[in-house]
Amino acid sequence: QQQVKQSPQSLIVQKGGIPIINCAYENTAFDYFPWYQQFPGKGPALLIAIRPDVSEKKEGRFTISFNKSAKQFSLHIMDSQPGDSATYFCAASIKGGSEKLVFGKGTKLTVNP
Amino acid sequence: GAVVSQHPSWVICKSGTSVKIECRSLDFQATTMFWYRQFPKQSLMLMATSNEGSKATYEQGVEKDKFLINHASLTLSTLTVTSAHPEDSSFYICSARVWNEQFFGPGTRLTVL
Repeated sequence: QQQVKQSPQSLIVQKGGIPIINCAYENTAFDYFPWYQQFPGKGPALLIAIRPDVSEKKEGRFTISFNKSAKQFSLHIMDSQPGDSATYFCAASIKGGSEKLVFGKGTKLTVNP
Repeated sequence: GAVVSQHPSWVICKSGTSVKIECRSLDFQATTMFWYRQFPKQSLMLMATSNEGSKATYEQGVEKDKFLINHASLTLSTLTVTSAHPEDSSFYICSARVWNEQFFGPGTRLTVL
């Protein structure tokens, strides 16, 4: 019940495409859902996060869509660029993010020029 | 803001020696820091939660006597890998929580020969 299931494991798109990464959870107590971007040999960087009182949040080219009834959330990257090639992790936490994060297994995104 | 640093960025040591890794929040105070371990092409595995002025809370299966965590101030937490062995070789990442969001350090690559 503590798991966050992330798919796909890897994703290849062309420059300008819109990659979509999906995550699903079971624990209805989760109420904070961040996405992290990680480049090889670096620590994860917080990209964008959403709380269940909204269904969508945009920050620049990154959008989170949240479906509370389906217990799913997804990351969309608009106008993807080769520099977006990285591994993306979704995560979830309870108590508004004040507790530990449960991470998905990650999606390796490759954006071809 | 919300910058977390780690030192060293990489370390090579001989089997049987101890290694200390520092995690600092540079522009904020963090009452809670987290330590993760990451194997190649895998997700982050939470090792322990570190609260300033109190004992760390270790995740199941993590040896507290092997991975010593000290959170002596609101800006510094340390992880000491005691009597390191080759199987302890990994990428260790810390994070600090502020405003109910976690910000990660750049990671420390530990190689035990």
